[in-house]
Amino acid sequence: DVKVTQSSRYLVKRTGEKVFLECVQDMDHENMFWYRQDPGLGLRLIYFSYDVKMKEKGDIPEGYSVSREKKERFSLILESASTNQTSMYLCASRHGVRFNSPLHFGNGTRLTVT
Amino acid sequence: GDSVTQMEGPVTLSEEACLTINCTYTATGYPSLFWYVQYPGEGLQLLLKATKADDKGSNKGFEATYRKETTSFHLEKGSVQVSDSAVYFCAPAYSGAGSYQLTFGKGTKLSVIP
Repeated sequence: DVKVTQSSRYLVKRTGEKVFLECVQDMDHENMFWYRQDPGLGLRLIYFSYDVKMKEKGDIPEGYSVSREKKERFSLILESASTNQTSMYLCASRHGVRFNSPLHFGNGTRLTVT
Repeated sequence: GDSVTQMEGPVTLSEEACLTINCTYTATGYPSLFWYVQYPGEGLQLLLKATKADDKGSNKGFEATYRKETTSFHLEKGSVQVSDSAVYFCAPAYSGAGSYQLTFGKGTKLSVIP
């Protein structure tokens, strides 16, 4: 089975801190994604990467950046955390050859910014 | 743009009741259709999928049929269990330039009571 591992389940940070959320997948997937999940808003795409060192903005990239230096790892960076970035963050990966390959998700990181 | 409309919850059912969660998608192109499920405290996982018209996806007693004429992919189960309590997401996947901008429905929370 594909395993997508997010480094932290819960994280509490202060406003203005730089925050790193890490995600690792073990199935050599080309595509990786970062979503945030908020009540009433569902999942919203922040950034995605279709291969190593490649990254594209999703629907809500403001306040975030990403890094994909190795195929298995996709990092989400909050340059200066703000309270409106308190959310559940979900990482996902997908085999890149076919558009209809399913996504495989990590268990999420619940980030609280105080 | 591409979008999906999913029945809003929450839905509360007694054990052994029938379940239907409605999902309709924008008829742009010919998407593959997915249902994902999110159990409490976990990330999303694939429940079932269908890739062409009239295909029926099934898993764990759940079924959904790809209806091109009504652009729908409703999730059904004849007899729900307490263990089915979760949030369910409908998601079409389109080929081409938008294949990375995966769109999820807002989710339907199901609670099954004994």
